[in-house]
Amino acid sequence: QSALTQPASVSGSPGQSITVSCSGADGDASVPLYVSWYQQHPGKAPKLLIYDVTKRPSGVSNRFSGSKSVYAASLTIAGLQAEDEADYYCVSHKGTTTLFGTGTAVTVL
Amino acid sequence: QLQLQESGPGLVKPSETLSLTCSVSEGSIKNVSYYWSWIRQPPGKGLEWLGSIYYSGSAHYNPSLKSRVTLSIDTSKNQFSLRLNSVTASDTSTYYCARRSVMFPAMFDSWGHGTLVIVSS
Repeated sequence: QSALTQPASVSGSPGQSITVSCSGADGDASVPLYVSWYQQHPGKAPKLLIYDVTKRPSGVSNRFSGSKSVYAASLTIAGLQAEDEADYYCVSHKGTTTLFGTGTAVTVL
Repeated sequence: QLQLQESGPGLVKPSETLSLTCSVSEGSIKNVSYYWSWIRQPPGKGLEWLGSIYYSGSAHYNPSLKSRVTLSIDTSKNQFSLRLNSVTASDTSTYYCARRSVMFPAMFDSWGHGTLVIVSS
């Protein structure tokens, strides 16, 4: 079972906006379904940021937003802060199978 | 607020069976709106979904591990469990249990802290 494709790393300066993309696994040209996004700091469990492509759970900063195009799902972090430096994973679900992305390390310069 | 706690041996010998339990508190494992899941993460690597189980006992598994993974659930104890047989060093990982929404099936909204399992003789 292949993983969803994410860039290995993305960086930005404080205050900037960055975008992390999530596209289908190898050989799958379709955009992932039911996409959720998770933030993981070192040594910690992942934290839900976005579900169902665009929905944000209560308590999650509105600096985090999700979207989808015909090519990929995306997570945008606006007003980048030092605390946003972490790994980010997308997740999709199809049929009875759940698939994680390869993960993206976000660095705040 | 829902809490999940993984428990089990931190060291397993190669070829043996890894067994972990997740205890759920401050919420019922019989909630019809959720599946209960296991996810793992090898040191320094990404996350991998292992499987999810409903309170009824209906389970879905990662196709790449399906022959080695078994999930079970004990509603009387508010616990669910993972068994992974014939382990090798590549199964060394931090194992997380998590709650997954039925309506939004990629949504894992509550996680345990994770437990590191090392496979070594």
